[in-house]
Amino acid sequence: AQRVTQPEKLLSVFKGAPVELKCNYSYSGSPELFWYVQYSRQRLQLLLRHISRESIKGFTADLNKGETSFHLKKPFAQEEDSAMYYCALGNDYKLSFGAGTTVTVRA
Amino acid sequence: NAGVMQNPRHLVRRRGQEARLRCSPMKGHSHVYWYRQLPEEGLKFMVYLQKENIIDESGMPKERFSAEFPKEGPSILRIQQVVRGDSAAYFCASSREGDGYGYTFGSGTRLTVV
Repeated sequence: AQRVTQPEKLLSVFKGAPVELKCNYSYSGSPELFWYVQYSRQRLQLLLRHISRESIKGFTADLNKGETSFHLKKPFAQEEDSAMYYCALGNDYKLSFGAGTTVTVRA
Repeated sequence: NAGVMQNPRHLVRRRGQEARLRCSPMKGHSHVYWYRQLPEEGLKFMVYLQKENIIDESGMPKERFSAEFPKEGPSILRIQQVVRGDSAAYFCASSREGDGYGYTFGSGTRLTVV
């Protein structure tokens, strides 16, 4: 069975500090992993997916198959990064989501 | 392009009533997905539809829940005889043919059963 775990429900950092959101998964096949973000009063939107290896809004995420992790990182957090972040694992067309991490960036 | 439109945004129903949630996909998108988010949990897949076809309903509860995506008009998620445990946020997403995970999500409908 596939499962996505985000161990931190809440994360608070100061502006300019690094931020790392943890995501661990369990999946028997070759995973396809994503990070979604939901800003206040906005809809859920794709932040990045591991196969594209892009950096979006300064965020990066590396798939570590040995540790079954896909942590999201940003070296210098900005106030506009305050949002809810979801890690998701894809299986065919279906996504399995973690419970989410609420990030608050303080001035 | 207005994106994926869901209505209503908020819906309150008494126990035993029916709830109808609507989703209009993005222009050019022919695939619709419904997800449910219970409090304190992540989104969970319910059903995947194409026009006039249910492709995968493996995440739908066996009773009281049904979904359709007619040739004309929005996709409808219907919950009959609602119970308190149906209170959740219901999200719809759409994608193009062959776009795999290229989802666009709607803003969701928050259903409250009283």
